[in-house]
Amino acid sequence: DIQMTQSPSSLSVSIGDRVTITCRASQSISSYLNWYQQKPGKAPKLLIYDASSLQSGVPSRVSGSGSGTDFTLTITNLQPEDFATYYCQQSYSTPPNTFGQGTKLEIK
Amino acid sequence: QVQLVQSGAEVKKPGASVKVSCEASGYTFTSFYMHWVRQAPGQGPEWMAIINPSDGSTTYAQKFQGRVTMTRDTSTSTVYMELRSLRSEDTAVYYCARDRGRGQLDYWGQGTLVTVSS
Repeated sequence: DIQMTQSPSSLSVSIGDRVTITCRASQSISSYLNWYQQKPGKAPKLLIYDASSLQSGVPSRVSGSGSGTDFTLTITNLQPEDFATYYCQQSYSTPPNTFGQGTKLEIK
Repeated sequence: QVQLVQSGAEVKKPGASVKVSCEASGYTFTSFYMHWVRQAPGQGPEWMAIINPSDGSTTYAQKFQGRVTMTRDTSTSTVYMELRSLRSEDTAVYYCARDRGRGQLDYWGQGTLVTVSS
């Protein structure tokens, strides 16, 4: 199975900051990488698909990049609604569609 | 609008089985694969299974092989996930999620908490 490793596991940031989360795959997954946002008690929400495509309705201050094994999720001008946990997920080699262990954004 | 509505919370004893339902609406049920993903308390999502609602074909994560069965009822646009021989480690929120293609999970159910406790 392909393993997905995210870093950091948590991040303390302020409103208006720029944040970058990384996700590394244990082998090449081309661009089959998706990012999800999850808030407490809610289901995950698709933010970015195919590594860099923005899901409809997601603000343009959210962006994704990368291919192969290394990927990043960047959020600029952090807003209160951005404080959540973020997960990457590979869909290149399935099953299983493996997820990363998550990165929690906390308010500094 | 697309909606996935899951059945309610369950409390089960170790060794028992649970069957969770997910009713889809707002789109053509047989046109999109459906996944089951679970999330234990404080953990990341864990992929369990996928079904093709058109023909009922399934694929399960190796971890759950022999313990999980995913089925569908096209007359009610509902998918089901049954997990048997429950143990305490199966305590989690179970989600169904629609796959719009290339493994992109664009709509999710609200989640069903399954608690396994003696």
